[in-house]
Amino acid sequence: DVKVTQSSRYLVKRTGEKVFLECVQDMDHENMFWYRQDPGLGLRLIYFSYDVKMKEKGDIPEGYSVSREKKERFSLILESASTNQTSMYLCASSSPSGGPYEQYFGPGTRLTVT
Amino acid sequence: AQSVTQLGSHVSVSEGALVLLRCNYSSSVPPYLFWYVQYPNQGLQLLLKYTSAATLVKGINGFEAEFKKSETSFHLTKPSAHMSDAAEYFCAVSDLKAAGNKLTFGGGTRVLVKP
Repeated sequence: DVKVTQSSRYLVKRTGEKVFLECVQDMDHENMFWYRQDPGLGLRLIYFSYDVKMKEKGDIPEGYSVSREKKERFSLILESASTNQTSMYLCASSSPSGGPYEQYFGPGTRLTVT
Repeated sequence: AQSVTQLGSHVSVSEGALVLLRCNYSSSVPPYLFWYVQYPNQGLQLLLKYTSAATLVKGINGFEAEFKKSETSFHLTKPSAHMSDAAEYFCAVSDLKAAGNKLTFGGGTRVLVKP
């Protein structure tokens, strides 16, 4: 069974703080993704990585950065948190081999920036 | 660019009634299509997927979806709603040409089941 874990379920931070969200997967997946989820907007891709130390911007990368030093771990960094980054953050992983590339999701981190 | 449209952000059904959630997509190549479900305070869980084999796809919890290429649709149905089906449902399409096999999601449909 694929397991994707996220470091926190709920997080409250102050404006201007640097925030780290951690994601770990245990299935040796090459691909990892960070999304944010807001009501009515579905899931929007922030960044993804298809290999260690490789990253690509998604649809809404502004204000975020990522780090992937090990295959199983993918970190999302908010350099200077702002109130408009209050959201649910979801991490996912997938493997490119064999298709059809379904993604496996973690439980999410609900971040509140005050 | 691919896109997914889910008609109706909220759907209310009576217990035992048909559940029908609509999804239309745009894609320049034959797509892979997915339906995910999200229960309150949880991540997304795969319900079913279309991978260019049978056009009628059966998933978990009694759900099924039919791929109709001519209508660019992948609607999700369940013949008889159960209280446990109350959740948010997301349709997604896979971008097979892009690195990382990204998914593009629709805006989601929240299902309320009335007793």
